[in-house]
Amino acid sequence: QVHLQESGPGLVKPSETLSLTCSVSGVSIRGADFYWAWIRQRPGKGLEWLGYISHSGTTYYNPPLRRRLKMSLDKSENLFSLKLTSVTAADAAVYFCARERLHVDSGSVWFDTWGQGTHLIVSS
Amino acid sequence: IVLTQSPGTLSLSPGERATLSCRASQNVSAYLAWYQQRPGQAPSLLIYDSSNRATGIPARFSGSGSGTDFTLTITSLEPEDFAVYYCQQQLTFGGGTKVEIK
Repeated sequence: QVHLQESGPGLVKPSETLSLTCSVSGVSIRGADFYWAWIRQRPGKGLEWLGYISHSGTTYYNPPLRRRLKMSLDKSENLFSLKLTSVTAADAAVYFCARERLHVDSGSVWFDTWGQGTHLIVSS
Repeated sequence: IVLTQSPGTLSLSPGERATLSCRASQNVSAYLAWYQQRPGQAPSLLIYDSSNRATGIPARFSGSGSGTDFTLTITSLEPEDFAVYYCQQQLTFGGGTKVEIK
């Protein structure tokens, strides 16, 4: 059974960098069939896709966040990570990691497995 | 692409039929997914490619549509179905429909 688990600091000061990790079990992130994504949900709001990273390390980020966002893989630990720089109050949210199914030919995308989410508070 | 879900809230009783709508701002063929999010939980995949049920999803959930208009139908609401439902296409999510107990 595939399981994703986020971990993060819970609290970050404004202007600092947020670092999150997503530990994956039940499947290898080296597999070419999947992409690994981050999605967030601001309080009382809908879902916002942040970006994905492929098994080969190729990344694609949501354009408004591109300057501040970086994703990486740790294949030895079977986890992937997110760094978001210059955090503001607008970045306070629940951050989810998810397995993304992407059919390159058709462009069909869906997220079939999600972590439980990690809350981020931004405060000095 | 903008996804518009309606209604914003649907008030129904257990056993009733729920019909949720998702409209895309441009043609997305049949590449649309639906998710359920219960309070305090992560979203979970219900339907992908408009009408394919994800693994383990009960048959009372069905999806239909293509182009710009899509529907998620729950034929007979169970207590655990009262939740928020989101549609998603590519990297965009709709605003959600809350199904609440009447």
